Amino acid sequence: ETGVTQSPTHLIKTRGQQVTLRCSSQSGHNTVSWYQQALGQGPQFIFQYYREEENGRGNFPPRFSGLQFPNYSSELNVNALELDDSALYLCASSPQQGWGDYGYTFGSGTRLTVV
Amino acid sequence: SQQGEEDPQALSIQEGENATMNCSYKTSINNLQWYRQNSGRGLVHLILIRSNEREKHSGRLRVTLDTSKKSSSLLITASRAADTASYFCATDTTNFGNEKLTFGTGTRLTIIP
Repeated sequence: ETGVTQSPTHLIKTRGQQVTLRCSSQSGHNTVSWYQQALGQGPQFIFQYYREEENGRGNFPPRFSGLQFPNYSSELNVNALELDDSALYLCASSPQQGWGDYGYTFGSGTRLTVV
Repeated sequence: SQQGEEDPQALSIQEGENATMNCSYKTSINNLQWYRQNSGRGLVHLILIRSNEREKHSGRLRVTLDTSKKSSSLLITASRAADTASYFCATDTTNFGNEKLTFGTGTRLTIIP
């Protein structure tokens, strides 16, 4: 059984650029969530994808967008990068959306630095 | 916004001692979960307690939940150097569960060998 894999591990971008982060969910998990964690803070929910559709969104602007593919892998896209977007981006997968209590399996994250 | 607040923000104890961390939250929950994070990397799920449960055990971990006080505690017994990490509580407050987690600010635990 594989865990959640994120790529790349580290990334440096210039303000105004666009970035795509990738996540492969754990085998058997069809729900993927993305979180942003600023230094010294707890993770903040960005959005969740279930069966290729966005299912819930946190307080993030539209320049944060995502995709989920038929194999349940996912991408996070951020346009017009700002310095405050510098953070650790975490992907988490879970067995299913809806009724039930499940812990999430997190990837190791992508450290994004915007300069 | 942060739903939960962990207390203390930082904790240093000798190896072998017990460590207790507390979490308070603001709204009704489906469940509350505890996660560990080493050196700013990915989070590891430790334990989940449902809103109708009061106490749960897993190995050296003991979690309590008091929904009337909107608080939870995590006890790590017989601490080890490998327990050094940040610990976060996270609440699931959504209607159907498993839709999003709201994390607290974390407790930084240091185990002194």
